[in-house]
Amino acid sequence: EIVMTQSPATLSVSPGERVTLSCRASQSISNFLAWYQQRVGQAPRLLIYGASTRAPGIPARFSGSGSGTEFTLTISSLQSEDFGVYYCQQHDTWLWTFGQGTKVEMK
Amino acid sequence: EVQLLESGGQSAQPGGSLRLSCAASEITFSTYAMSWVRQAPVRGLEWVASVGAAGHDSYVADSVRGRFTISRDNSENKLFLQMNDLRLEDTAIYYCATGTGFFNIWGQGTLVTVSS
Repeated sequence: EIVMTQSPATLSVSPGERVTLSCRASQSISNFLAWYQQRVGQAPRLLIYGASTRAPGIPARFSGSGSGTEFTLTISSLQSEDFGVYYCQQHDTWLWTFGQGTKVEMK
Repeated sequence: EVQLLESGGQSAQPGGSLRLSCAASEITFSTYAMSWVRQAPVRGLEWVASVGAAGHDSYVADSVRGRFTISRDNSENKLFLQMNDLRLEDTAIYYCATGTGFFNIWGQGTLVTVSS
């Protein structure tokens, strides 16, 4: 099983700030990495797949990068609706696995 | 707008059974692979099972293999998860989602609570 590790666990930020979230895979997954956003009381929402491809309807302020074992999700200018928990997930090997999440909270 | 609506979640005893359903609308259901993903407070998000668009191929996680079965009825635009021999650790919100590999559209989830 591929283990996904996210850092930091919590990030306290203010609207307008640039945010960088990290995700590490326990073995190489090429670019088979997805990112999800989960707001309080809602289901997860797909943001990015293939490490850098935005899902339909996702704003351009969200961008993904990385390959192999190291990946990053960047929010260029945090909006109030962006607070929540972000999860990475590998879609390389069929026992698909998620990270434990990074909570983005208001400073 | 594509909608996925789960149902069937409720309280159950260890060793019991439940059948979850997911009704899809505004989607050409028969062209999509579908999956179940669950979320428990301690274990986080966990992929549970996936089934191909035609329903002929399916995959389940090791944690539920032999106990859970995924299936679909394309004539009814519905996805199912038959859950047998339930365990305490199966307590979670169960989401259905389009896709396999990564999960594009999610329902709002249905809560399964296993307790004695």
